[in-house]
Amino acid sequence: EAEVAQSPRYKITEKSQAVAFWCDPISGHATLYWYRQILGQGPELLVQFQDESVVDDSQLPKDRFSAERLKGVDSTLKIQPAELGDSAMYLCASSLAGNHNEQFFGPGTRLTVL
Amino acid sequence: SQQGEEDPQALSIQEGENATMNCSYKTSINNLQWYRQNSGRGLVHLILIRSNEREKHSGRLRVTLDTSKKSSSLLITASRAADTASYFCATDAPDSNYQLIWGAGTKLIIKP
Repeated sequence: EAEVAQSPRYKITEKSQAVAFWCDPISGHATLYWYRQILGQGPELLVQFQDESVVDDSQLPKDRFSAERLKGVDSTLKIQPAELGDSAMYLCASSLAGNHNEQFFGPGTRLTVL
Repeated sequence: SQQGEEDPQALSIQEGENATMNCSYKTSINNLQWYRQNSGRGLVHLILIRSNEREKHSGRLRVTLDTSKKSSSLLITASRAADTASYFCATDAPDSNYQLIWGAGTKLIIKP
């Protein structure tokens, strides 16, 4: 069964350092999402891609966060510099373009900023 | 921002009993989905119900949707230990580029 891959699974860093997360969506899925999930809450959308284009990044803190999907396949989310409040689970999801919008999630990257 | 609100926040029942979780939302929707999240498998899609549907079944799951009350319920029948997880509802609104807005989830614990 095809799955969304994410790495690393866990990341511990010190504040002011740079971190990067990688996501490989299910083959053929044109839409890719990055979410942040704080413990005890639902996911919050950070950025949505359709192929290589950003559809929505209105909730992405652009002073420190960046995301790219250069070839419309895998994607990288970067934080520089990391802050204590960035500690969270970062989830990547993908979906087929269309109105069913069932999203398939990767296992996530648990980020801890010290 | 979170559109959906699940109720209760936490639910603990005996194995074999039925579990009911509710979700309320604020704006008009195209679809409402339920997802499950546990430490073993991450977030997994359970069921999608369209705005013009009132009830949907999938195995031991039954979902209802009342658009007049902007609410949905998820019923899990004959619960099992493996159903222990957090359950989230997520909605997408017209003209939203199919973006999902998520609730805070219901934490379900099934006691053996």
